[in-house]
Amino acid sequence: QVQLQESGPGLVKPSQTLSLTCTVSGGSISSGDYYWSWIRQPPGKGLEWIGYIYYSGSTYYNPSLKSRVTISVDTSKNQFSLKLSSVTAADTAVYYCARDCKYYDSSGYQINWFDPWGQGTLVTVSS
Amino acid sequence: SSELTQDPAVSVALGQTVRITCQGDSLRSYYASWYQQKPGQAPVLVIYGKNNRPSGIPDRFSGSSSGNTASLTITGAQAEDEADYYCNSRDSSGNLGVFGGGTKLTVL
Repeated sequence: QVQLQESGPGLVKPSQTLSLTCTVSGGSISSGDYYWSWIRQPPGKGLEWIGYIYYSGSTYYNPSLKSRVTISVDTSKNQFSLKLSSVTAADTAVYYCARDCKYYDSSGYQINWFDPWGQGTLVTVSS
Repeated sequence: SSELTQDPAVSVALGQTVRITCQGDSLRSYYASWYQQKPGQAPVLVIYGKNNRPSGIPDRFSGSSSGNTASLTITGAQAEDEADYYCNSRDSSGNLGVFGGGTKLTVL
């Protein structure tokens, strides 16, 4: 059973770069069947998709964060990582990593879902 | 448009049926997936695709879609179903993820 675990600093100073890593266990990140996503949730607010990466290194980012986000993958360690630069208090959130599944049904419709998710890690931006 | 719209809050009497909706132009082309989130916990997938439930999700949860609206129905709501529910889909390009704002479900 695939499990994901986020790790990284819980406190980041304003204007610095937030860095998190997601370690995948129970399955290979290089299998090619999945994408690997980052999602965040500010305290008391809803979910926001940040972006995803394929094992080959191709990425897609939320346009609202694109100028500050970099997602990378290390297949040798079965990990993928998030870097968010020039952070402000508005970037304070619980950050989740999740496996991003994509499938086409018999009618050709694209189906996407996130499963499983990591437990999440709270990152606070404060001086 | 890449937005998904949900009602902020919905309530249901114990044992009754409730429908939570999600509206967006991209839902005409892409299925929604639905997530349940309880306080202090990570979201959990409850429905994906046309109407697929992951292993372990009770069959009182079901999904449907019509036009630009996707729906999550709970038939015979239980106290443990009280949670926030989020829909998710892709944008019109099929490449970018987007979440609805979430619906807080109260079971009375």
